[in-house]
Amino acid sequence: SQKIEQNSEALNIQEGKTATLTCNYTNYSPAYLQWYRQDPGRGPVFLLLIRENEKEKRKERLKVTFDTTLKQSLFHITASQPADSATYLCALDINRDDKIIFGKGTRLHILP
Amino acid sequence: EAGVAQSPRYKIIEKRQSVAFWCNPISGHATLYWYQQILGQGPKLLIQFQNNGVVDDSQLPKDRFSAERLKGVDSTLKIQPAKLEDSAVYLCASSRGAKRGEQYFGPGTRLTVT
Repeated sequence: SQKIEQNSEALNIQEGKTATLTCNYTNYSPAYLQWYRQDPGRGPVFLLLIRENEKEKRKERLKVTFDTTLKQSLFHITASQPADSATYLCALDINRDDKIIFGKGTRLHILP
Repeated sequence: EAGVAQSPRYKIIEKRQSVAFWCNPISGHATLYWYQQILGQGPKLLIQFQNNGVVDDSQLPKDRFSAERLKGVDSTLKIQPAKLEDSAVYLCASSRGAKRGEQYFGPGTRLTVT
């Protein structure tokens, strides 16, 4: 069955640095991959979507890359701020099974 | 635009009792999803509706969970009878079109089964 792994449960980054989060998957390549932000006690908020034929997507300080050979997506936050502290979830939409699968998330702490 | 509304926000019940959650999606959104999120895990899709038809309910424990979306707008998710392992946050989300894409989530209902 399809598995999705986010690199670590928690990540501490100094304010102003670039935070890089990893999402790895096994088996089938997804039609597309999404990144969401989730704050405690709240529902996830959509950030970016990248399709299987796209290498990179940007939105303000956010950048997502998608490598179907490595079966990996990287999510970058440049010039990180304490307000970026949250849990970040990746989600795969699997064409073959018509399923959507979320990773467990990575808790990001930006230290002032 | 108004976001996805869910109620109640919190619910505590004893095992073997029943419970129902309500969701009102963003106006005009054709697709509605119910997710279960256990503490420390990512959301797990329980059921997906396209208008008022079910698209995917493969992960819904149908012996105890049921969901409906009448008139293709509001939806309710019911658990009967509840088990301890059903303690989780139940998230409702909606999206515009028929294909999954950007989803808008509600605040969730935190269910505690004792």
